[in-house]
Amino acid sequence: DIQMTQSPSTLSASVGDRVTITCRASQSISIWLAWYQQKPGKAPKVLIYEASSLESGVPPRFSGSGSGTEFSLTISSLQPDDFATYYCQQYNGYSTFGQGTKVEIK
Amino acid sequence: EVQLLESGGGLVRPGGSLRLSCAASGFTFSSYAMSWVRQAPGKGLEWVSALSGRGGSTYYVDSVKGRFTISRDNSRNTLYLQMNSLRAEDTALYYCAKRSGRGWIDNWGQGTLVTVSS
Repeated sequence: DIQMTQSPSTLSASVGDRVTITCRASQSISIWLAWYQQKPGKAPKVLIYEASSLESGVPPRFSGSGSGTEFSLTISSLQPDDFATYYCQQYNGYSTFGQGTKVEIK
Repeated sequence: EVQLLESGGGLVRPGGSLRLSCAASGFTFSSYAMSWVRQAPGKGLEWVSALSGRGGSTYYVDSVKGRFTISRDNSRNTLYLQMNSLRAEDTALYYCAKRSGRGWIDNWGQGTLVTVSS
């Protein structure tokens, strides 16, 4: 099974900061990776799919990069609405989520 | 608009069974693979199971193999998860999720809570 290792588990940042979350796959998954945002009490929503494609309606301050085993999600200028938990997910065959990264206010 | 409405959760004793349902609308149900994803209280997301559009291919996380069965009724636009031999560690909010045509999850339900406790 493919394991996804996400880091950091918690990230403290301020409004306006540039933040990056990384996700590493235990074997190559090409570009079959998505990023989700989840707020307390809500279902997740997709931000990025196929490693770097921005979902319709998602602000362009979100971007994704990577292929193979190393991936990252970057928020170019953190906004108040962005404080949430972020998950990566591989969908190469079966599916696996990373452990999540909670982005909190510094 | 895609809607996914889960039902069937509740409190069950260890070793018991539950069947979750997910009523889908707003898209051609039979054309899309569907998944169940769970989230234990205060924990992260865990993919549980998936089923192809026509129901011919099923996938399970190792921890539920042999205990859970995913199925669908395309005539009723409904996805199911039969859960047997439930354990305390199965306690979670269970989300029904629609897979996009290329594999990521593009729509989620609001979840149904399963609590396994004596």
